[in-house]
Amino acid sequence: GENVEQHPSTLSVQEGDSAVIKCTYSDSASNYFPWYKQELGKRPQLIIDIRSNVGEKKDQRIAVTLNKTAKHFSLHITETQPEDSAVYFCAAGEGTASKLTFGTGTRLQVTL
Amino acid sequence: KAGVTQTPRYLIKTRGQQVTLSCSPISGHRSVSWYQQTPGQGLQFLFEYFSETQRNKGNFPGRFSGRQFSNSRSEMNVSTLELGDSALYLCASSLSRNTGELFFGEGSRLTVL
Repeated sequence: GENVEQHPSTLSVQEGDSAVIKCTYSDSASNYFPWYKQELGKRPQLIIDIRSNVGEKKDQRIAVTLNKTAKHFSLHITETQPEDSAVYFCAAGEGTASKLTFGTGTRLQVTL
Repeated sequence: KAGVTQTPRYLIKTRGQQVTLSCSPISGHRSVSWYQQTPGQGLQFLFEYFSETQRNKGNFPGRFSGRQFSNSRSEMNVSTLELGDSALYLCASSLSRNTGELFFGEGSRLTVL
C-alpha cells in the first residue's frame, strides 16, 4: 500500500519568514496530493491540493510543488503569520479523494 | 449549509465493550469516509462509503465496521474495545468520490479504560 513520509515533524520560523514542508510517497499510482491544516482542537481543513498533471500550484501565500519522477511534493508558505501556526498534513490518493494516506504531520510554529 | 456533524463528541468506554459513532455529511454529499487520528500514527484511513456501499477499507481488524444509509448518513462500530482504540475518530464527506475536497467533522473522541 501507499506510504507517505513527511518532514520535518516540527518547524519553528519567525513571522515573515518562509516555511517549507516536504513529503515523499511510495505508490506511483497516486495522482492526488492535498494538504490539510489542523489548528489545535479543530478539524483538518484543506488548504491546497495538486493533481499529478500539474507541477506547481499557488494560492496567495501558499504554493505546492510536485515532482512525480522523484515521488515528492512540498508545501511552501511565504510571509508567515502567527495564524499560520498549526499542524500541517500532506496526503496522497489514487483516483478517489476519499481514500487518502496521510503523512504524520508537521507542527509549524510562527514566532513574533 | 451545515457542516459534517459527528455524535457523540466524547465518550468513555471500558475494554471489551462496543461503540457506535454517527456521522451526518454535508447535505448533498454522497461519499463518507472515516479516519482514526492518534498522536503517534497521525490520520489513518478506516473505510469509505458511497451509495450505501463500502468502496475501500483500510488496514484495520474486523472489529471495525461501518455502514451508510440511504440518506448518506454513516455509522461506524468498534466491537470488543481495546486500550489502543483510544483515538479521535474523524468522519469526512465529499460531493462524490473523485471531487477534490474532503470536509471533516470535529470528530468523536473515544477513550477506552
